[in-house]
Amino acid sequence: EDKVVQSPLSLVVHEGDTVTLNCSYEVTNFRSLLWYKQEKKAPTFLFMLTSSGIEKKSGRLSSILDKKELFSILNITATQTGDSAIYLCAVGEYGNKLVFGAGTILRVKS
Amino acid sequence: DAGITQSPRHKVTETGTPVTLRCHQTENHRYMYWYRQDPGHGLRLIHYSYGVKDTDKGEVSDGYSVSRSKTEDFLLTLESATSSQTSVYFCAIRLELGYEQYFGPGTRLTVT
Repeated sequence: EDKVVQSPLSLVVHEGDTVTLNCSYEVTNFRSLLWYKQEKKAPTFLFMLTSSGIEKKSGRLSSILDKKELFSILNITATQTGDSAIYLCAVGEYGNKLVFGAGTILRVKS
Repeated sequence: DAGITQSPRHKVTETGTPVTLRCHQTENHRYMYWYRQDPGHGLRLIHYSYGVKDTDKGEVSDGYSVSRSKTEDFLLTLESATSSQTSVYFCAIRLELGYEQYFGPGTRLTVT
């Protein structure tokens, strides 16, 4: 059975801290790994990674994929209260589907 | 917002009643998806469509059916709602190239 596991399930940090969110996967026909941010509404797309070792970066957020060890990390530097959200990891499979992890709930305290 | 709307946005219904949720998109996307989101489970795929009248089941399809008679509308029907179907339902589209999906605003369904 295809599986995507995120850790930690939740964490609380203070503004300015750096956080690392983890996503490991076991899927049969891996094609891509995606990160989403969800703030009390619909998930919004952050990154898609398809190649190992190539960092994707957007402002204070960055992500990298390791296809040998089957995991990805999402880093957020200099966290702000606006980063508080659920972060979802999903794996794209051959056949147009995404398999989602349960998410990491991040709370940034001021 | 990828031009996706969902209706209704909120619904309360009684056990045993049929319910239909609508997803409407304005940009002619071929791929459309229905997910449910529950605490601790992330997003789970119910059904998806890869064209008019072309649909397939996802991992949690029991108790749900879908129809897609035109490109812009993808309907999700709960034939006889149960309390276990209380959830937030999201519709999504996928661009023709790539794997990223874009989500509608969601429908909060409560079955009492």
